[in-house]
Amino acid sequence: QVQLQESGPGLVKPSQTLSLTCAVSGGSFSSGSHYWTWIRQHPVKGLEWIGYIHYSGSTYYSPTLKSRLTISLDTSRNQFSLKLTSVTAADTAVYYCARGCCGGALDYWGQGTLVTVSS
Amino acid sequence: QSALTQPPSASGSPGQSVTISCTGTSSDVGGYNYVSWYQQHPGKAPKLMIYEVSKRPSGVPDRFSGSKSGNTASLTVSGLQAEDEADYYCNSYAGSNNVVFGGGTNLTVL
Repeated sequence: QVQLQESGPGLVKPSQTLSLTCAVSGGSFSSGSHYWTWIRQHPVKGLEWIGYIHYSGSTYYSPTLKSRLTISLDTSRNQFSLKLTSVTAADTAVYYCARGCCGGALDYWGQGTLVTVSS
Repeated sequence: QSALTQPPSASGSPGQSVTISCTGTSSDVGGYNYVSWYQQHPGKAPKLMIYEVSKRPSGVPDRFSGSKSGNTASLTVSGLQAEDEADYYCNSYAGSNNVVFGGGTNLTVL
């Protein structure tokens, strides 16, 4: 059973960098069939696709976040990470990591972590 | 504003069927057979219910079914049960490695 677990600070000050890590266990992290994905959900709102990284290292970033976003992979630790720079209150959300497969479907999700941007 | 349009709410009585729509364009829903549906209970992570328009992951009851016509995809929940009360989201591949979500539908079991 594949499991994903997000970790990182729950509070980030405006203009600083939000950094999160997703640890993956129970599956083949190096599978070429999957895309390691970040999604966020603003309070009382819908889901927003942030971006993903493939085992090969190729990445896709949401056009609205691309200028501030970096997703990286650490295969030795079976984890991938997100860095979002110059955050504002609008970046306050629950951040999820997930495994992407089959045409954009997300078949395994982490439990989510709330990140609040506030001074 | 979400890229895909879903009704904000839907409802049905136990045992009935309810259908939730997800409307996009020919650049996303209409252009690819890559529509997925997710169920989210309060405080929980979303759960994949349908992928590639109509396929069910292992463990998802066959009361849940998906379809697509043109630029609109649909999720049908048959034989409604109390535990089906949740938010439902669709997403679709939109080309150029882009994926878009719908705004979500709150399903109430009356």
